[in-house]
Amino acid sequence: DQQVKQNSPSLSVQEGRISILNCDYTNSMFDYFLWYKKYPAEGPTFLISISSIKDKNEDGRFTVFLNKSAKHLSLHIVPSQPGDSAVYFCAASEVNIGSSNTGKLIFGQGTTLQVKP
Amino acid sequence: DAGVTQSPTHLIKTRGQQVTLRCSPKSGHDTVSWYQQALGQGPQFIFQYYEEEERQRGNFPDRFSGHQFPNYSSELNVNALLLGDSALYLCASLAGVGYNEQFFGPGTRLTVL
Repeated sequence: DQQVKQNSPSLSVQEGRISILNCDYTNSMFDYFLWYKKYPAEGPTFLISISSIKDKNEDGRFTVFLNKSAKHLSLHIVPSQPGDSAVYFCAASEVNIGSSNTGKLIFGQGTTLQVKP
Repeated sequence: DAGVTQSPTHLIKTRGQQVTLRCSPKSGHDTVSWYQQALGQGPQFIFQYYEEEERQRGNFPDRFSGHQFPNYSSELNVNALLLGDSALYLCASLAGVGYNEQFFGPGTRLTVL
């Protein structure tokens, strides 16, 4: 049962254009969402996150949008740069009964982004 | 400030053997989670340690066990290795209950022959 899905295995964009990476989830108990970037031979690097009480969070060139009714989030990278080429993982964290995060992340399968110069 | 460190970097074992992987969390972090990342997949949660106890566990068999030491470092042990255990094993640390961002180490690549 894949609770977090990234349906696009790969994405290719031109340098300077916008990259949009999508993620869908099924568990309504997820209350916090994160994006990680991963280069080969390295661990995932935290990029940006969003709480379920918000619908948008921005950090420099990176913006994450959350649509709770559709159970969908997206990561926008503007403008895209060749150094952004990596695998991007969407992850979700669920709240526990005590209303604190469980610390258990559920990851999607990843999307490989290639930014062409 | 050192981030999350893991050792060894690579490991080759044969079926039936046992393996121990090690992790030191980021400075100031007291909670450690372990993940398994198979080729072409996202990381899968194995278990989490806090205050030297397993706080929660993912859908992994009892062959996977762990330990956390008083200095917050952690070990992952896998017994009776199977070919399917070949994967990248990632350790992540977080500052504690209530914190969401987890910081990952570079991982240990385990190959089971």
